Amino acid sequence: EIVLTQSPATLSVSPGERATLSCRASQSVSTYLAWYQQKPGQTPRLLIYDASNRATGIPARFRGSGSGTDFTLTISSLEPEDFALYYCQHRFNWPNTFGPGTRVDVK
Amino acid sequence: EVQLLESGGGLVQPGGSLRLSCVASGLTFRITALSWVRRAPGRGLEWISAISHDATDTYYADSVKGRFTVSRDNSKNTMYLQMNGLRAEDTATYYCATHYVDSSGYSMSYFGYWGQGTLVTVSS
Repeated sequence: EIVLTQSPATLSVSPGERATLSCRASQSVSTYLAWYQQKPGQTPRLLIYDASNRATGIPARFRGSGSGTDFTLTISSLEPEDFALYYCQHRFNWPNTFGPGTRVDVK
Repeated sequence: EVQLLESGGGLVQPGGSLRLSCVASGLTFRITALSWVRRAPGRGLEWISAISHDATDTYYADSVKGRFTVSRDNSKNTMYLQMNGLRAEDTATYYCATHYVDSSGYSMSYFGYWGQGTLVTVSS
């Protein structure tokens, strides 16, 4: 099973600032990695798929990058609605797994 | 509008069984691959099972393999999760989710649409 680790666990950022989230895989997942956003009381929302492709309707301020074992989600300028929990997930093989999440909160 | 509605959760004793259902609307169910994902209280998301559009392929997380069985009835637009031998650590909200289809029509096991979830509590 491929283990995904995310860092930091919590990221404190001011609105309008850039946020950089990291996801590392225990072995290469090529570019088969996605990012999700989850807010309290809501279901997860797919943001990025296959490392760098924005899902339908996702604003351009969300950018994914990376390949192999190291991936980054960058939110270029945080909007108030972006403070949430973010997960990465791979589909390289079965079982697919999620990372433990990074919480982005208001500084 | 795509809608997924889970049901069947509840309180069950350790060792017991439950069957979850996920009814879908607003999509062509028979060509849609699906997964079950759960979130335990205070913990992160855990993918637990997937089923191909025609049920020929099924996949499980190690944590549920041999205890849970995923199935579907395309005539009823419904996916099921039969859960046997339940343990306290299975306590979670269970979500069904569709596999994401990109603009070229390629389906991949990322999760585009989610239901609101059904709570399963395993406790004596």
